Order: sequence, then structure tokens, then C-alpha cells
Amino acid sequence: DGGITQSPKYLFRKEGQNVTLSCEQNLNHDAMYWYRQDPGQGLRLIYYSQIVNDFQKGDIAEGYSVSREKKESFPLTVTSAQKNPTAFYLCASTRGVPSGANVLTFGAGSRLTVL
Amino acid sequence: QQQVKQSPQSLIVQKGGISIINCAYENTAFDYFPWYQQFPGKGPALLIAIRPDVSEKKEGRFTISFNKSAKQFSLHIMDSQPGDSATYFCAADTGFQKLVFGTGTRLLVSP
Repeated sequence: DGGITQSPKYLFRKEGQNVTLSCEQNLNHDAMYWYRQDPGQGLRLIYYSQIVNDFQKGDIAEGYSVSREKKESFPLTVTSAQKNPTAFYLCASTRGVPSGANVLTFGAGSRLTVL
Repeated sequence: QQQVKQSPQSLIVQKGGISIINCAYENTAFDYFPWYQQFPGKGPALLIAIRPDVSEKKEGRFTISFNKSAKQFSLHIMDSQPGDSATYFCAADTGFQKLVFGTGTRLLVSP
């Protein structure tokens, strides 16, 4: 079955450590996205990528980094510079621009907790 | 101008009742308005979507009502069921790369 796989599902981190969240899709989608979800704040865009080797900052990119070396993969690194990293992270993808027939497909998410 | 304001934050409806969630926007360049449904521990999934050239779209028990002049749109869930208990997000899109999401509504349908 086609879909988006995020790993790990749960992750605990000590303050000052960098962590990398994995996102892999087998939908042959061109565009991939990372969102952060916090209670009462909805989904906020961190980074997005429309093609391989290219990505753009979203609304809350500070303290995060990404890479897009392969079409299928879009890992997110939460760096020690992110002041409040505890959150639910969602990866998404779409065939093209997410409007009209291009439905945004989400993974099941990764919950990061900083101890 | 890029915000989408969603209300209420939470909603409790009895089984068989009508659930109504409202969203408002400012940016008139938005041209696509989807609703996503999210169950606990899962990612959101597209539920229904509308473009501003129509005032209403219905799919089964789910209906979007759209008021272009007021810049508002709403989701109506008819005959609400316990299985509809989830968090619902409205969103808006200009057609350029990214969606803007509302803050979400947690719906609980009591048996």
C-alpha cells in the first residue's frame, strides 16, 4: 500500500541534543512538507520541498533543518537551537501544489518529548 | 492576512445531532478550502473540500457551506455519530505551495 512512513513514532531527547525524524513516501509525490502540531495552535508549516535538492522555509523554520536528497525522503532535524521542541511532528506529501485534485497526504506523526 | 480563524475550540454533540464548525479568513486570494479530520495518534486526512465558486458542497453526512462575501465557511456534520469524534481542521490555499490551517476543533459525539 502506498503511503507515508514516519519514524520513530515516539522519541525522547535530552536538552541540547539534535534529533532527526524520518519521513519516507512511496506515493511518487513531488512535494513534501513538515508540520508541527501543538494543542490549540493547529498545524504550522516548518519546511517544504517541491523538488529534489530544493526546499523552502515555512512559518516556523528556526531551529530546524531538512534535506531532500531523494524524492522519497524528507528527513527533519530538530536542533538544539529549537527552544521548545516538544510537539507532534507531521510529514505530508502531495503530487504537486496542494490544491484542487492534489490532496495533501499525511503520515501518522512522530511525537518528540524533550526531557 | 494569512490566518484562518476556527471556532469553537471544542464541541460536544449528542448522537444524532448536528455538529457545526466555523472558519473565517481575510485573504481573498485563497481559492481552495479543505477540511481535514484527525483521529488521536494519527495524521489528518482530507474529509471534504470546496472552491469559492460554489456555496455548498455535500458528501454524505458532511456539508461545507461557503459565504464568499463574508469570507466564512463552515462544516456541518448531520446525524453525528460517536465515530465522528475527532479533531477537525479547516484550511485555505492560494494554489502556491502551502496550506494555511485553522487551530482545530475537538469534536466529541456522546452516545
